[in-house]
Order: sequence, then C-alpha cells, then structure tokens
Amino acid sequence: GAGVSQTPSNKVTEKGKYVELRCDPISGHTALYWYRQSLGQGPEFLIYFQGTGAADDSGLPNDRFFAVRPEGSVSTLKIQRTERGDSAVYLCASSLDPGPGETQYFGPGTRLLVL
Amino acid sequence: AQKITQTQPGMFVQEKEAVTLDCTYDTSDPSYGLFWYKQPSSGEMIFLIYQGSYDQQNATEGRYSLNFQKARKSANLVISASQLGDSAMYFCAMREGRGGSNYKLTFGKGTLLTVNP
Repeated sequence: GAGVSQTPSNKVTEKGKYVELRCDPISGHTALYWYRQSLGQGPEFLIYFQGTGAADDSGLPNDRFFAVRPEGSVSTLKIQRTERGDSAVYLCASSLDPGPGETQYFGPGTRLLVL
Repeated sequence: AQKITQTQPGMFVQEKEAVTLDCTYDTSDPSYGLFWYKQPSSGEMIFLIYQGSYDQQNATEGRYSLNFQKARKSANLVISASQLGDSAMYFCAMREGRGGSNYKLTFGKGTLLTVNP
C-alpha cells in the first residue's frame, strides 16, 4: 500500500505567519510521530499520537507549536507566529502500533523555510 | 551526554566492498531498541534494520547486518557488497523503555556514506 505522505513538500513563509503541515499515515497505523530535522542534524522528536490523543508532546519547543489528529488518521502540525529558527524539515512517521520494536515508517518530509 | 554517538561524519567505500558505520549508545534502561535508517538526498528516511536489547543474535536484513556488542554499547551497521545506490546519509537511532509513552526515537547526527565506482 501507500506509504506515509506529507503535504506540502515545500513551504516558504514570512516571519510571523501561521503554517499548517499535513501528514497522512499508512492506513491502519495507530501511532503517529512528528520529528524536526535541522540542517546537518538527525531528526528530533516533537510529538507522538496514539489514536486521536497526544501521548507525548514533550518535544514541542514552545507553545507556538501544536498538533492535532482529530479522527485518528491524518495529523496536522500547526506553527503560529513562525520564526526564522523554525526553518527545518518536518518529518512525520507512523507505526502499526506503539510496540517496543515497532518500526516507524517515515514520510518524505515538509521543507519549511521562514524568511 | 549524547544518547547516540556516530563518530564518522563521512565515510568512503569502493563499490562491491564492505563498510562498517559506527554507532555507540548510552542508556541505563535494560530494555531498548536500536534502529538504522538511510536518508538519500531525496530526504525520506528509509528503515534498514532493527536490534532489540534482548535479542540473542545479531540482526541481518539482506546486505545489512548489525554488529551488536551490548557490553560495549555499540551497534555498528555493516553493509556488504556496497552499491552506488548506497550513497546516502545513515542514521542510528534508539528507543528506550518497554511501555508508556517511550516510543520516540533518539537519533545520532548521521554518517554520510559515499560509494565510489
């Protein structure tokens, strides 16, 4: 079946604007994760959903960042009052269930550039 | 302290030769999982191989194998018979704990592998 999809693939915005990044997980996967990857770094965890609820949002850097998954499938990462430091690749991943060895499958990412 | 350390920023290997990418980890949790991902220039993270802390044997997946040395806290990736398409960034990652919300992955900084013809 189809893998994890993310839209848009690229987003350019101006400082102070609001952006929404969308993730469509693999069908049937109950767990969904958001990560942020800055240039030259490995991905860093932002938030994890099990079903509709955020089970762990400890990685969100501040209250400008928020994510939802209202129907337990598609998720949206929302960033308010964007700053230049928010520029990064935002990666979404999903897994069949949150088991200890469950593999997380990643989407292609959204490249966000804040001018 | 870094939870995942990848000491090789870049590695070069000749086509058809084997290469080892290093990864050391730091955790006090007896239950953990170690993952390797490949990230080509296109940006997508591709899962390669998984090793659980209680697994008795080293994991293998086709040309990929994981040299797991628990006492040394190392989980090196071995790629046999390198191909040009193996040129990419490689990330080692760890998940700690068995339950609760401990399902996030912690990644290293990666190693850029270049396969020369």
